Amino acid sequence: ETGVTQTPRHLVMGMTNKKSLKCEQHLGHNAMYWYKQSAKKPLELMFVYNFKEQTENNSVPSRFSPECPNSSHLFLHLHTLQPEDSALYLCASSQDTVGHRPEGYTFGSGTRLTVV
Amino acid sequence: QQQVKQSPQSLIVQKGGISIINCAYENTAFDYFPWYQQFPGKGPALLIAIRPDVSEKKEGRFTISFNKSAKQFSLHIMDSQPGDSATYFCAFFSGNTGKLIFGQGTTLQVKP
Repeated sequence: ETGVTQTPRHLVMGMTNKKSLKCEQHLGHNAMYWYKQSAKKPLELMFVYNFKEQTENNSVPSRFSPECPNSSHLFLHLHTLQPEDSALYLCASSQDTVGHRPEGYTFGSGTRLTVV
Repeated sequence: QQQVKQSPQSLIVQKGGISIINCAYENTAFDYFPWYQQFPGKGPALLIAIRPDVSEKKEGRFTISFNKSAKQFSLHIMDSQPGDSATYFCAFFSGNTGKLIFGQGTTLQVKP
C-alpha cells in the first residue's frame, strides 16, 4: 500500500447514474490530484487541490465534480457520464505543489471505471 | 502544452538483455525528468529521476541518459528480468507547480 488509498477499485455505472470516487491519504500531504488514464493515452491531469483549495482545472467537463473537504480526502463526483469516460482514475498526493521533488509524489492504485 | 514523444510503444526483451526506452521533448523548462513504472492494477511509481544539468544517473540496473542537445532522454534497464515487465512512462516534473506531464507509455515484456 502506497499511503494513498482509492475506493472503489472497480466501478461500473450507467450513463444516468451518479457515483463518487474516494481518495484518502495518510502521508500528511497538503496537495492532492486527480488524473485520468485512458488506454494508449498519456496520463491526463484533471484537477489539483492545494490546502483544500482547487488550484487547477484542466478544462474538465462539468460532469466531473471534485471535492476536497480536507487535506486528507479527495472525491470525484460523477454524473451523466459517457462511455468514453471509461478509464482508470488515479489520485495522487504530494507535500505541496511548490518546491518539492518527484520523490514526494505518491499515486494510489486507481479506480477502474466502466460507463455502460 | 509540452509535447513528450515516447518510443517504442511496446518492447519485448529476453531475460538478461538490455531494455531501452526513449523520450523526446521540446524544451527543458522543467526541474526533473523522471521515469515511472506501472504494474497492472497499480498506480505509477517513481523509478528514477534526473535533473537537466546531469547527463547520466544510475540506480542499480536502471540508468537515465540525458542528451540536452538532442532534447532526448532515455531509460536503460540492464540485465532485464521478467519482474521488470510493466508499463514505463517518462515524464517532466516542475518543482514550482508540482505538475507532472507524462509520455504515452511503453509496455515492456521480458521473456524468461
